[in-house]
Amino acid sequence: ETGVTQTPRHLVMGMTNKKSLKCEQHLGHNAMYWYKQSAKKPLELMFVYNFKEQTENNSVPSRFSPECPNSSHLFLHLHTLQPEDSALYLCASSQDRTVGYNEQFFGPGTRLTVL
Amino acid sequence: DQQVKQNSPSLSVQEGRISILNCDYTNSMFDYFLWYKKYPAEGPTFLISISSIKDKNEDGRFTVFLNKSAKHLSLHIVPSQPGDSAVYFCAASLDNYGQNFVFGPGTRLSVLP
Repeated sequence: ETGVTQTPRHLVMGMTNKKSLKCEQHLGHNAMYWYKQSAKKPLELMFVYNFKEQTENNSVPSRFSPECPNSSHLFLHLHTLQPEDSALYLCASSQDRTVGYNEQFFGPGTRLTVL
Repeated sequence: DQQVKQNSPSLSVQEGRISILNCDYTNSMFDYFLWYKKYPAEGPTFLISISSIKDKNEDGRFTVFLNKSAKHLSLHIVPSQPGDSAVYFCAASLDNYGQNFVFGPGTRLSVLP
């Protein structure tokens, strides 16, 4: 596997379910991100992890719980979601730098539907 | 209120002609700008970037222009090819090693053969 992979690609869940999204990057990067893209809305940054430490949380509700056990893996644990949480969830990674731009490499996304 | 705007949801261009995708932003503190391209069922892929210290950056058929006073940037694709048909996102960051990018809503480009 190369690049950034995400599983599952599609997920349908009820509001009382608990599920997890998984992201894995094979690029040797040290920063990972979760984004949400709702219909007809821009990508919204949710969380940023640098060297496994969470460095950004953009006021995301606690029903979304990220986990980054190592620099290559990132999870998004979901519980008691709402129908308005239905969206495309994208994972990305980058090589954290203090100079030079921070090109992010995206996975294909998980299309989540909450019933 | 959106900080990064792409006011054209869609654009159709004839193959071989120039495609011009526009992006406007409201925060004058943005320091770095990127364009991403997204095909259906795939994640966005990086296309080209520009720092606020420049007004133009070119990479093959793709050129990005930045007008800081107007808070406007544009992506020119010339000549346009059918394979360029995709959704194009403009993104802006407050710093040149930006991790916190603000994305525009995207413009769907269709290049007609």
